[in-house]
Amino acid sequence: DAKTTQPPSMDCAEGRAANLPCNHSTISGNEYVYWYRQIHSQGPQYIIHGLKNNETNEMASLIITEDRKSSTLILPHATLRDTAVYYCIVRVLTRGKFYFGSGTKLNVKP
Amino acid sequence: AAGVIQSPRHLIKEKRETATLKCYPIPRHDTVYWYQQGPGQDPQFLISFYEKMQSDKGSIPDRFSAQQFSDYHSELNMSSLELGDSALYFCASSSSTMTFTYNSPLHFGNGTRLTVT
Repeated sequence: DAKTTQPPSMDCAEGRAANLPCNHSTISGNEYVYWYRQIHSQGPQYIIHGLKNNETNEMASLIITEDRKSSTLILPHATLRDTAVYYCIVRVLTRGKFYFGSGTKLNVKP
Repeated sequence: AAGVIQSPRHLIKEKRETATLKCYPIPRHDTVYWYQQGPGQDPQFLISFYEKMQSDKGSIPDRFSAQQFSDYHSELNMSSLELGDSALYFCASSSSTMTFTYNSPLHFGNGTRLTVT
């Protein structure tokens, strides 16, 4: 039931920006895009979400294309602690549950 | 800030035994979700409750049942345990208003690791 496509893995140098892409070409008009990360078997951690405008918080920025068919999560200055699996999720309209896809394993290297 | 509390953190059971996992949502959160994550897999949605009523059902085996109580905590009951039930079980909670809102994020606990031997 996953509605998103992400690369399985990415590398990023410590201190550089990490840009994680996500395709969600079948997204409906009122479905939000959410980003979570999971650090080594801990509970998934909420990062950010948006509908159609770009969003920024203390953790990251979310850039959503104008046609809303893809988005990019930006970690502006990646640290070793950002090594995790990052999940891009489009919320299923009914009843609010999330379906997790395969995610991107981000490896931040010194 | 208060987070989602799950207990126990670790649980070891034998085949055919029963297990009960507990979840205490963030205060004032009225919706609870249960997920199962097998080794090397992504979290799979099991079931959710809104205001003590089952709101949605995913890939939950018939051997499992769950409920949400008047204080909004939830319990996942698992019977006739099988080796394949060994997994991390996550609970998440979210808040809604008078109607079910679709943009409030889910907040996850750190899970219960169930090992069936």
